[in-house]
Amino acid sequence: GAGVSQTPSNKVTEKGKYVELRCDPISGHTALYWYRQSLGQGPEFLIYFQGTGAADDSGLPNDRFFAVRPEGSVSTLKIQRTERGDSAVYLCASSPRGVDEQFFGPGTRLTVL
Amino acid sequence: DAKTTQPTSMDCAEGRAANLPCNHSTISGNEYVYWYRQIHSQGPQYIIHGLKNNETNEMASLIITEDRKSSTLILPHATLRDTAVYYCISSSYNTDKLIFGTGTRLQVFP
Repeated sequence: GAGVSQTPSNKVTEKGKYVELRCDPISGHTALYWYRQSLGQGPEFLIYFQGTGAADDSGLPNDRFFAVRPEGSVSTLKIQRTERGDSAVYLCASSPRGVDEQFFGPGTRLTVL
Repeated sequence: DAKTTQPTSMDCAEGRAANLPCNHSTISGNEYVYWYRQIHSQGPQYIIHGLKNNETNEMASLIITEDRKSSTLILPHATLRDTAVYYCISSSYNTDKLIFGTGTRLQVFP
């Protein structure tokens, strides 16, 4: 079946611009997670949704980062006034209720010039 | 969540067993040990998890010491496609997030 998909696969932007990254979770998965991964590091947790609500946003680095999941399915990670330090691979994962395994997408590689 | 430590890298010959160690000496009683791996340019992939009993599935075996301070992931017959970064994570069951370290880079060679 279809896995988690993320679009775009690559995004190049300029410092100061606004970007949106999209995640389509596996159908029926209630939980959705965003992580980001810098080169040579493990993924770093950003935010977790259970349904439509953000259950834990403790990993968002600052208020330039925001994520939504309005209908409990697709999620969008939004980054305002991008900085070069935001360059990373942004990973999305989903999991069904009661299952502890997270299913990851391929990620979006964001490059801020 | 307890911190884990893993060797930075390991090599394994194709067809041999790969034994990847993980230290989690500060793990608490309700925390599980999870293993994920990440093949180059892909998202992480779940492998296995356990609490205190040894676990086995179609991908791997997980051996947890009796005191739960360490564990070993075993790939019984490593193939070239098992070349990846392997992450050991300790976390409460049904937690809302995974705390990844830097993992072990396993290189399987012919």
